[in-house]
Amino acid sequence: KAGVTQTPRYLIKTRGQQVTLSCSPISGHRSVSWYQQTPGQGLQFLFEYFSETQRNKGNFPGRFSGRQFSNSRSEMNVSTLELGDSALYLCASSLAPGTGGMEGYTFGSGTRLTVV
Amino acid sequence: AQSVTQLGSHVSVSEGALVLLRCNYSSSVPPYLFWYVQYPNQGLQLLLKYTSAATLVKGINGFEAEFKKSETSFHLTKPSAHMSDAAEYFCAVRTSGGSYIPTFGRGTSLIVHP
Repeated sequence: KAGVTQTPRYLIKTRGQQVTLSCSPISGHRSVSWYQQTPGQGLQFLFEYFSETQRNKGNFPGRFSGRQFSNSRSEMNVSTLELGDSALYLCASSLAPGTGGMEGYTFGSGTRLTVV
Repeated sequence: AQSVTQLGSHVSVSEGALVLLRCNYSSSVPPYLFWYVQYPNQGLQLLLKYTSAATLVKGINGFEAEFKKSETSFHLTKPSAHMSDAAEYFCAVRTSGGSYIPTFGRGTSLIVHP
């Protein structure tokens, strides 16, 4: 059974640019959550998608957005990049909304974004 | 609001010694509790979870955790540390009565000396 696939693994961008990250959940999982991990703030919840709809959103500015496709694959986009957006972005897969908090998530290996 | 505190950002043990990683949570309703492990350049992997069944929960790689309601704790233990246990460990809590998004602790880095 394939795990959660995140692409790309590493990314270097310049301030002001935008970036798109991709996540394919485990087969059969229809909910995708995104987290930002930094040494200073730890793991912070960005948003959760299910059935192509955003179900929950964390406390991040509107520059952070996402979407989900009919095959459950999800993308997140960050526009007008700032130095502080440098982080490991983790995708977490679960069966349905809420199951990540009941059964636990399956995480991808993450995308390491560096903004210079 | 739910929260979780991991005591000690770094814990150092010798190979073969007991591992004890501390986690305290705050919740006004019965919680769901989790421990995850993160190896370098990897995502998080679920070690074990408490979902209101047995208070002593056994997980993968020989780890276990005990839910103590009176102490609002969910400490992670392993009788004998192995070099391969060196990693970052995260405790997470989700309260059943509110948001179902789990809140993660800041993490504890486990260092294992030969």
